[in-house]
Amino acid sequence: EAGVAQSPRYKIIEKRQSVAFWCNPISGHATLYWYQQILGQGPKLLIQFQNNGVVDDSQLPKDRFSAERLKGVDSTLKIQPAKLEDSAVYLCASSLRGWDTQYFGPGTRLTVL
Amino acid sequence: GQQLNQSPQSMFIQEGEDVSMNCTSSSIFNTWLWYKQDPGEGPVLLIALYKAGELTSNGRLTAQFGITRKDSFLNISASIPSDVGIYFCAGQRNTGNQFYFGTGTSLTVIP
Repeated sequence: EAGVAQSPRYKIIEKRQSVAFWCNPISGHATLYWYQQILGQGPKLLIQFQNNGVVDDSQLPKDRFSAERLKGVDSTLKIQPAKLEDSAVYLCASSLRGWDTQYFGPGTRLTVL
Repeated sequence: GQQLNQSPQSMFIQEGEDVSMNCTSSSIFNTWLWYKQDPGEGPVLLIALYKAGELTSNGRLTAQFGITRKDSFLNISASIPSDVGIYFCAGQRNTGNQFYFGTGTSLTVIP
């Protein structure tokens, strides 16, 4: 069974630029999560989707971050414009149902200069 | 957000030694998870705990759900070089709520 796929694996941008990350969850998983992991910290939930609807986006900085899962399968997370403090690994995870075992992708490491 | 504190922050041990680490919270949790993260990879689930006092093993790994429901422990016996990585705990207050992750324990095993 294929795992959670993410791309790109690495991205370097300058502050105020825009960036987008893509995630393809495990086939059949209804729930998709985006986490931000700053160096030396544990993952922090940004947004949770159930199929194509948002369940929890309370910790998403909505002035610059947006995410969508239009067809209830893959998802994109966008940052516009990026700030230095957005440098982190962005992890995507999926689960069969809400809040059961989550399977993580390899992450996208973002560096903002 | 919820803060989970992990201790120790880092460990350097000799191959073959046993390892103990813990995770504490100011809130009561109903589920505890332990993950391992290798460099450049996402976290991988090691053990899940669902009941206070529960003791669960996965090979050389053993985890316990603290009876106060505010802490959890992970032990690794007879460490080997591939145990190197960062270990995270994650807690969930109620079924259906989000998981909060700890600050991580970095483990280095010296051959």
